[in-house]
Amino acid sequence: DQQVKQNSPSLSVQEGRISILNCDYTNSMFDYFLWYKKYPAEGPTFLISISSIKDKNEDGRFTVFLNKSAKHLSLHIVPSQPGDSAVYFCAAIGKSGTYKYIFGTGTRLKVLA
Amino acid sequence: DAGITQSPRHKVTETGTPVTLRCHQTENHRYMYWYRQDPGHGLRLIHYSYGVKDTDKGEVSDGYSVSRSKTEDFLLTLESATSSQTSVYFCAISESRGQSTEAFFGQGTRLTVV
Repeated sequence: DQQVKQNSPSLSVQEGRISILNCDYTNSMFDYFLWYKKYPAEGPTFLISISSIKDKNEDGRFTVFLNKSAKHLSLHIVPSQPGDSAVYFCAAIGKSGTYKYIFGTGTRLKVLA
Repeated sequence: DAGITQSPRHKVTETGTPVTLRCHQTENHRYMYWYRQDPGHGLRLIHYSYGVKDTDKGEVSDGYSVSRSKTEDFLLTLESATSSQTSVYFCAISESRGQSTEAFFGQGTRLTVV
């Protein structure tokens, strides 16, 4: 039973355009959601997070949107750059519970120059 | 960068042998995690720890055990390695204080079971 799902295994976007990565979750107890970026042969690195009490969080070119009623979040990257090419994982955690990070299966983003 | 060191970084072992992977942190974070990354499965939680000697199972714990005798060290043991345990293993740490929510990851250990 996958609690966090990323249904698009891959995405290609032209440099300068917007990249939109999607994530769905099933567990209503999650209260924080995070996005991580992973390059080959490296560990995942934290990008941005959002609390369940908010619907948007922005950090530079990265914006995360949360739709609690739909149990859906998305990461927007504007403008996309070739260096953004990586695998992106969304994750969820219930801070008031067991503090376990549950990850999705990842989306491989390729930004074309 | 968070002070997390995984060792070894690469290991090849034979089926049926025990293997121990080590995660060492210098951040004094309370929570430590072991994940495995496999194509099509993303990052799956094996075990995690919420304090010294306090551990619990994750999503894919069968065939693995862990120990945490000190705050800074979290060991993952494959009791009898199988080919299905060939994977990249990541350790992560986090702290629950204040607004901090993110976990920090180590560089990974690539394990091949032949």
